[in-house]
Amino acid sequence: AQKVTQAQTEISVVEKEDVTLDCVYETRDTTYYLFWYKQPPSGELVFLIRRNSFDEQNEISGRYSWNFQKSTSSFNFTITASQVVDSAVYFCALSEANRDDKIIFGKGTRLHILP
Amino acid sequence: NAGVTQTPKFRVLKTGQSMTLLCAQDMNHEYMYWYRQDPGMGLRLIHYSVGEGTTAKGEVPDGYNVSRLKKQNFLLGLESAAPSQTSVYFCASSEGLAGGPGDTQYFGPGTRLTVL
Repeated sequence: AQKVTQAQTEISVVEKEDVTLDCVYETRDTTYYLFWYKQPPSGELVFLIRRNSFDEQNEISGRYSWNFQKSTSSFNFTITASQVVDSAVYFCALSEANRDDKIIFGKGTRLHILP
Repeated sequence: NAGVTQTPKFRVLKTGQSMTLLCAQDMNHEYMYWYRQDPGMGLRLIHYSVGEGTTAKGEVPDGYNVSRLKKQNFLLGLESAAPSQTSVYFCASSEGLAGGPGDTQYFGPGTRLTVL
């Protein structure tokens, strides 16, 4: 069965610090997709990244980077030089192929960036 | 291009009342989804649709019904609202068949529903 675990319920860091949000997933499929979404205080869900199981290259987008490691079933998200605007709840999610694109979400990590 | 829109944004119901939430998307997406978000629970899938005229159950379907009469619209109905259905409801859509497996889902702004 698919499962996504975000063990960190809440994290607080001071602005400009780096922070890593952990995500561990479980799946029996060899083809699957991993996502990160951001939910700022305004409430909407913003898509950040999608990764397929065959692409283990790390990705960097500005201050955001993602580390995908199949060996540990992890897809961690790092924010470098954090800013107050990064304060949000971040969700990691998993979708298995041939399952109508259904996504299983983790319970989220609430990130507070303190000025 | 509005993306995914939801109507209404807020609603307060009394126990036993019924209501329908409307989701509309203008991206010509095949797949649409309804989720509920509760504190500490993340998002849980209620029902979804893989095309016009089709619907399927998700993780928490009880107490809800859905319809997809038009490709661009996905309706979520509560026939007899209960306090346990107090939640924030999100609609999402994805390309589905056209985009391939594991398509990204794009979300609406959410509807905050309170059942007294």
